Amino acid sequence: GQNIDQPTEMTATEGAIVQINCTYQTSGFNGLFWYQQHAGEAPTFLSYNVLDGLEEKGRFSSFLSRSKGYSYLLLKELQMKDSASYLCAVRDQYSNYQLIWGAGTKLIIKP
Amino acid sequence: KAGVTQTPRYLIKTRGQQVTLSCSPISGHRSVSWYQQTPGQGLQFLFEYFSETQRNKGNFPGRFSGRQFSNSRSEMNVSTLELGDSALYLCASSSEGLDSYNEQFFGPGTRLTVL
Repeated sequence: GQNIDQPTEMTATEGAIVQINCTYQTSGFNGLFWYQQHAGEAPTFLSYNVLDGLEEKGRFSSFLSRSKGYSYLLLKELQMKDSASYLCAVRDQYSNYQLIWGAGTKLIIKP
Repeated sequence: KAGVTQTPRYLIKTRGQQVTLSCSPISGHRSVSWYQQTPGQGLQFLFEYFSETQRNKGNFPGRFSGRQFSNSRSEMNVSTLELGDSALYLCASSSEGLDSYNEQFFGPGTRLTVL
């Protein structure tokens, strides 16, 4: 079957680094997306990984290991505005390329 | 470019009624996907429309239906509402279909409450 797991909630300190993990089980993996969603707002795209390795984009980086069914989102130099939910989604080619979403990780940044 | 717009933003209905939600994608985008978001459940895929054709459908009952018009605007209809249908309904558009690499742009959602 298909399954995506993320921690429900994480807390970190302003200026620090935090890593949000995502593990997945799907037979037709065809790419992994990370989205950010502030409370009461629409999700916005952060990153996309389809090959193993690290993709860096400013303060945010995303890593993928297809053999382990594992990804993480790394946020550096945390700012208060990074307080949000972070959604991991996997595209499944055997489900007609539907995106299978994790429940999201709520990140709380403390001063 | 204007973003994805959804109307109405908030809706209160009673059990048994039906509801229609509307989504206008970003200009030039041909793919529109609909999702249901509930606390703790994540986004659940409802369906995708591409150039007026439903290309993809999630595991929702037949009470949930949709359509797309020639201008790419999309509507979603839920008939015989149940309490469990209370959720945030998100629409997302992209320039190509879900089988292409392209990010989805989400609208602000319609918050549906069923009493």
